[in-house]
Amino acid sequence: DAGITQSPRHKVTETGTPVTLRCHQTENHRYMYWYRQDPGHGLRLIHYSYGVKDTDKGEVSDGYSVSRSKTEDFLLTLESATSSQTSVYFCAISEPLLLANADTQYFGPGTRLTVL
Amino acid sequence: LAKTTQPISMDSYEGQEVNITCSHNNIATNDYITWYQQFPSQGPRFIIQGYKTKVTNEVASLFIPADRKSSTLSLPRVSLSDTAVYYCLVLISSGSARQLTFGSGTQLTVLP
Repeated sequence: DAGITQSPRHKVTETGTPVTLRCHQTENHRYMYWYRQDPGHGLRLIHYSYGVKDTDKGEVSDGYSVSRSKTEDFLLTLESATSSQTSVYFCAISEPLLLANADTQYFGPGTRLTVL
Repeated sequence: LAKTTQPISMDSYEGQEVNITCSHNNIATNDYITWYQQFPSQGPRFIIQGYKTKVTNEVASLFIPADRKSSTLSLPRVSLSDTAVYYCLVLISSGSARQLTFGSGTQLTVLP
């Protein structure tokens, strides 16, 4: 399995508090991603990064920010958590093939976040 | 964003071949389709990837017709341990930019 860890694995917090989730990789992959997974919606991309300090928005980025100051770490911050952000959050990494649009993603174990 | 559609669920018996189809639009010639498997309380796991015709690896085959409006994941001789949710993913890339659209997933249940 790819060396991806997520912390914390479980968190319960209250509405209005800031929350930061961490993704750490040991594979030196260029791309890192944050997804959320909710029943009936599958996986939806929140933000991704294509290098240190290079990030871009995904499909559901409102209410989330990210930072990547080192290749191995990608942080997801919920600036003011809301109950609608209760979800399972997955981090993924990839190293795209040169001269192709192939991009195999490897996923972390997930973080279950509950916002009360 | 590309839109993808998969069946919500499928049942099969051990030893049978299972085919799961994903419909997708707005994909370009070189955009890849990838399939993932997910067990409860785990992250998705890569199964197979391709962008045209047929790709085969040790666990599955992927068929993509010429019009590329759909793709079919084929699992030969399934076992009980293949019970999982299967997702298709369409990746559209342009330089460093990425658009990723996951299907909503197909729950495959393999019965004894």
